[in-house]
Amino acid sequence: EVQLVESGGGLIQPGGSLRLSCAASGFIVRSNYMSWVRQAPGKGLEWVSVIYSGGYTYYADSVKGRFTISRDNSKNTLYLQMNRLRAEDTAMYYCARGAFSGYEWDYWGQGTLVTVSS
Amino acid sequence: EVVLTQSPGTLSLSPGERATLFCRASQGVSSTYLAWYQQKPGQAPRLLIHGASSRATGIPDRFSGSASGTDLTLTISRLEPEDCAVYYCQQYDTSPTWTFGPGTKVEIK
Repeated sequence: EVQLVESGGGLIQPGGSLRLSCAASGFIVRSNYMSWVRQAPGKGLEWVSVIYSGGYTYYADSVKGRFTISRDNSKNTLYLQMNRLRAEDTAMYYCARGAFSGYEWDYWGQGTLVTVSS
Repeated sequence: EVVLTQSPGTLSLSPGERATLFCRASQGVSSTYLAWYQQKPGQAPRLLIHGASSRATGIPDRFSGSASGTDLTLTISRLEPEDCAVYYCQQYDTSPTWTFGPGTKVEIK
């Protein structure tokens, strides 16, 4: 059974850093493309970043230069390093597995909440 | 950048009725790159439709999707109480980036 479990969220001051983790089971992370998608409280979905099986990474303009997506193949885990956090980064962060077609996500975790506030 | 708009913002219908949700892209997008998700309160999104019209694994056949030009449609043929949710359309472009519409809330009377 495919499962994704996020962790690492919490309350952080503006300008601070946080690392989110997404532990996967039931499939191999490095064999799939994986993304982070966020949702601000009461708002819609926003794609944040993707890492492909070949290691290529891409980011939304809103986080480029501040966030870094990576994975640890030995732990079958996806990460999102978030630096220079801003209030507008406050959101539920979901990790998601790329579907076979290549253009959407077929499994999602339950999310981890990041709150950026002083 | 492709912008997606969804209508209506909220749809309030009775069980057994037909729900039709619309999504319009600001420019032409291949139907291959279009999807729909369902998000119930307090839950993660769930993939419903990919490639504009193909149901994801385990999705009931009362959910169907279609696309024509810049317009995408999600139809729920016979609403059930558990269909109460927000529905998002999503598109992919080759940058790569992914964009979601603002969502349509479906309420069951």
